Amino acid sequence: NAGVMQNPRHLVRRRGQEARLRCSPMKGHSHVYWYRQLPEEGLKFMVYLQKENIIDESGMPKERFSAEFPKEGPSILRIQQVVRGDSAAYFCASSPISFGGEQYFGPGTRLTVT
Amino acid sequence: DQQVKQNSPSLSVQEGRISILNCDYTNSMFDYFLWYKKYPAEGPTFLISISSIKDKNEDGRFTVFLNKSAKHLSLHIVPSQPGDSAVYFCAASAGDSGNQFYFGTGTSLTVIP
Repeated sequence: NAGVMQNPRHLVRRRGQEARLRCSPMKGHSHVYWYRQLPEEGLKFMVYLQKENIIDESGMPKERFSAEFPKEGPSILRIQQVVRGDSAAYFCASSPISFGGEQYFGPGTRLTVT
Repeated sequence: DQQVKQNSPSLSVQEGRISILNCDYTNSMFDYFLWYKKYPAEGPTFLISISSIKDKNEDGRFTVFLNKSAKHLSLHIVPSQPGDSAVYFCAASAGDSGNQFYFGTGTSLTVIP
């Protein structure tokens, strides 16, 4: 059973470009979570999605950031018009249930904005 | 607003001794707590969890203690092994928003052979 897959592992973008980060949850998991880890900080929750639904996006910046989890295919975290402050490690996690269970993390995508 | 705090950014322990990693939280609604271990360039790996109905949970060399009145939890690793060297994050969630986990900033553990 493959774990949570994220790609790309490393992404370099110039200021103003768009970044697309992909996450394929573990087989059988229908709950996906995105976290961001800034340097010297812990993981910060961004958004929680189920298939075709955003359940909780309270941690997502109001502008430039969006997430989706379509019926088919991976979950996508999109950052438009990236700025230097977006440079961080972005982790995706999945779980089989929504409450009270551990989340399984992918290896992360390290975004560098130059 | 950091609701989960790990005040020790780093810890060094001799191999074979006990490692104690601490975590404090501020939200009394938190009722489920987890510890994750993270190696460089990898995602966090689930280690052990505890719900608020318990004050202790043990899994092999790893034991998590929860003190609800003090809003404090700790992870004990005994005996510590060099392979335990990693960053450890504690995380917490509240039952009514169980899908959102709040993470501490992590403690980097180094086990010296």
